[in-house]
Amino acid sequence: DARVTQTPRHKVTEMGQEVTMRCQPILGHNTVFWYRQTMMQGLELLAYFRNRAPLDDSGMPKDRFSAEMPDATLATLKIQPSEPRDSAVYFCASGPGTPNTEAFFGQGTRLTVV
Amino acid sequence: AQSVTQPDIHITVSEGASLELRCNYSYGATPYLFWYVQSPGQGLQLLLKYFSGDTLVQGIKGFEAEFKRSQSSFNLRKPSVHWSDAAEYFCAVAGGYQKVTFGTGTKLQVIP
Repeated sequence: DARVTQTPRHKVTEMGQEVTMRCQPILGHNTVFWYRQTMMQGLELLAYFRNRAPLDDSGMPKDRFSAEMPDATLATLKIQPSEPRDSAVYFCASGPGTPNTEAFFGQGTRLTVV
Repeated sequence: AQSVTQPDIHITVSEGASLELRCNYSYGATPYLFWYVQSPGQGLQLLLKYFSGDTLVQGIKGFEAEFKRSQSSFNLRKPSVHWSDAAEYFCAVAGGYQKVTFGTGTKLQVIP
């Protein structure tokens, strides 16, 4: 059963620490998305990649956030330094990038910055 | 730019009653449309999707949605709500590269 895998599922960290969230897209999918969900802002698109190249990261605070795809099986989202306002659920999604198909979402990483 | 409006933040229905959740979208071409459901502390589960063809689409858990191009709407319906349907429902639109834009969500409360 192919699925998007996100690790860790939960993370509690202190303000100022670096946080790395990982995503394993579905094998063969060439499009990867990072979303953030908060009570105030809802579901926001942070960044997305196609064939490992960033297509749009305009939704991501550039000063502290970075997103990469070191290879086709791994996407990472890093926050350095983390702040309490970064507390949210971060979702990764992947898609095959072909017409009439949808993106598939992981279970999310719940980040709490204290 | 694509966008989605869900005008109802919160809806309460009685168990067994019918349900309709409203969704309006904005997109320059033929959109891909979705409804997702999220239970507390859980991820997003796809209920149904519209890409093309028949404008009435059937989904899981007895849900259906109707695409109306003239009204730019994609309302979600269920004839008889169960207590387990209590959750938050998100309408979404996608365009190129499957980039999904979500609405703000509608929280459904089901009362006995």
